Parts: sequence; C-alpha cells; structure tokens
Amino acid sequence: ELKVEQNPLFLSMQEGKNYTIYCNYSTTSDRLYWYRQDPGKSLESLFVLLSNGAVKQEGRLMASLDTKARLSTLHITAAVHDLSATYFCAVDITGAQKLVFGQGTRLTINP
Amino acid sequence: DTAVSQTPKYLVTQMGNDKSIKCEQNLGHDTMYWYKQDSKKFLKIMFSYNNKELIINETVPNRFSPKSPDKAHLNLHINSLELGDSAVYFCASRGGYNEQFFGPGTRLTVL
Repeated sequence: ELKVEQNPLFLSMQEGKNYTIYCNYSTTSDRLYWYRQDPGKSLESLFVLLSNGAVKQEGRLMASLDTKARLSTLHITAAVHDLSATYFCAVDITGAQKLVFGQGTRLTINP
Repeated sequence: DTAVSQTPKYLVTQMGNDKSIKCEQNLGHDTMYWYKQDSKKFLKIMFSYNNKELIINETVPNRFSPKSPDKAHLNLHINSLELGDSAVYFCASRGGYNEQFFGPGTRLTVL
C-alpha cells in the first residue's frame, strides 16, 4: 500500500525566512500534487508535477519532484503571513485513478 | 461560476438519523470522488465514480451509499449516523493529468 509522509507536520516560522516541506512516498509514481488548505476552507491546487526533475514556481513557493528518490519538496522563500495554511502533497497511484494524500503540514508564519 | 459545489455546507444531526450530501461539478469531468477529512486533517478517499459507474470503494461501511445520477453529480447518503461519522466531507472531480478539484466541503456533526 502506498504511503505518503510529510515532514514536518507542524512548522512555525518567522516572516522573511526560508523553509522546505518534504514529501516522501513509498512506491513508484510519476505524478505528485501540492494543495493548500486554509482553515475551514477547501483544498486549492498549487502545483502539478508530472515527471522526474519537474520544478514549478509560483510567487514565493517552489515545488520539485525527484521520482527516483520518491521525494518532493515545497520550498518557501521569504515567507509572509499570507502563506500560513496547511499544505498537502498527494501522489497519483498509476492506473488506480486515485490520489493518496500526505498527513498535511500546518504552516504558521509569524510577523 | 463555482466549479465543484456541495450542499449543505453544514449539517448537524442526531445519532441514528439518515442524511444526504449533494455534489455537482460543471467542469465536464467524467470522474468524481468523495473524501473524508477527520479532525486531524487527514484526508482519505471513500468512493469514486466514472461516468455514473462506481470504480473505487475504499472499505467504507455500507451505511454510506454514493449515487451518481449523471456524470456531473455525485451524492452521498449516510444511514444510521454515528458519532465517528463527524468530519468534513469533500467532493472532488478529476481533470487533466489526474489533477483533482475540490468542492467547498460539508462539515457534518453528529450529536
């Protein structure tokens, strides 16, 4: 059974700092997704990573995928308070038509 | 225009009651999902339908019965509600590259 593990699960950081959230998964997959969830809200798609070496950037967030290491990272540059949210990675199980989600990383950015 | 919509947004009910949640998507997708998010934010797939046909049933108690009258709608009926059913239920639809688009969620509270 595919397992998806995020690290850390909780992250409190100061504005202006950089940090990285890690997403490890246990079986072969070429597709990985990052979502953001604000408290009481739905999941918003941030990035779709479709192949080994894929890198995508949007504002202060950058996501990458290493399928050989079964690892994706979400890097936050010069964090601002508005980025406070829970971030989920999800891995596509090839042929199974479903995603398996990590536990989520609750990010709090303090002024 | 809301891409994936759910009703109701909140549902408070007594143990033993039966309730339904409705979901509609206007994205033209063929595949839709129900997820359950528990109090620890863990997101788990429950069911998936492809063009009105059940394709995933993740060992959910048979008190939960999904129904898809057409590919734009996926409803969830729950019989004999239990305390442990309290959670947020998300509907999602699947687009290109298996990216999933989530509805706003239905917060179910069983008293």
